Amino acid sequence: QQPVQSPQAVILREGEDAVINCSSSKALYSVHWYRQKHGEAPVFLMILLKGGEQKGHDKISASFNEKKQQSSLYLTASQLSYSGTYFCGTISSGSARQLTFGSGTQLTVLP
Amino acid sequence: DSGVTQTPKHLITATGQRVTLRCSPRSGDLSVYWYQQSLDQGLQFLIQYYNGEERAKGNILERFSAQQFPDLHSELNLSSLELGDSALYFCASSVVGSLAGGGTYNEQFFGPGTRLTVL
Repeated sequence: QQPVQSPQAVILREGEDAVINCSSSKALYSVHWYRQKHGEAPVFLMILLKGGEQKGHDKISASFNEKKQQSSLYLTASQLSYSGTYFCGTISSGSARQLTFGSGTQLTVLP
Repeated sequence: DSGVTQTPKHLITATGQRVTLRCSPRSGDLSVYWYQQSLDQGLQFLIQYYNGEERAKGNILERFSAQQFPDLHSELNLSSLELGDSALYFCASSVVGSLAGGGTYNEQFFGPGTRLTVL
């Protein structure tokens, strides 16, 4: 079952902060965040694992609430280059390592 | 550049036709995944291969099939094409990494995609 992302879209000014949420009805092993520019391939941002470990880029932060099966991606002091569609992908506990992606959050950063 | 290559970049064909999309994974990656992304939609997982064998299947239509060859490149075959098959098709390959605490993760690297237009 597809994870649910919110909001669907957000518009902000350069320097503002944004939070994108992702929730699942299943017990999760990991949450993956990707950013996709229009017409381009998704680019890896971050992985958060059950148990608290994570791997990602220095300027991106995220959290994973295992009890609620929710993850949030935090974009601080946003830059124009942050614009794009953000997807969360989830891998459920006990399943094959198959990513199920949410429908995406479209982020637009204005000057 | 993720290191994953896909050909062709664009493909325009007619309904009822058959096409083959090709993907070469990053050097050393054994897993290949195929995804379909329709206009303004999310990524729908189609199928995964690992070292030549089918590992997982998602929402792949019976008209679609895939295989992974001994050199690890993969092909996705789409037949009896319909207008609704028009989409971006992405291939990804993955590496399994380990973290300091002992957890393992599966990081997928996406190719540039093939844009299929069915007229």
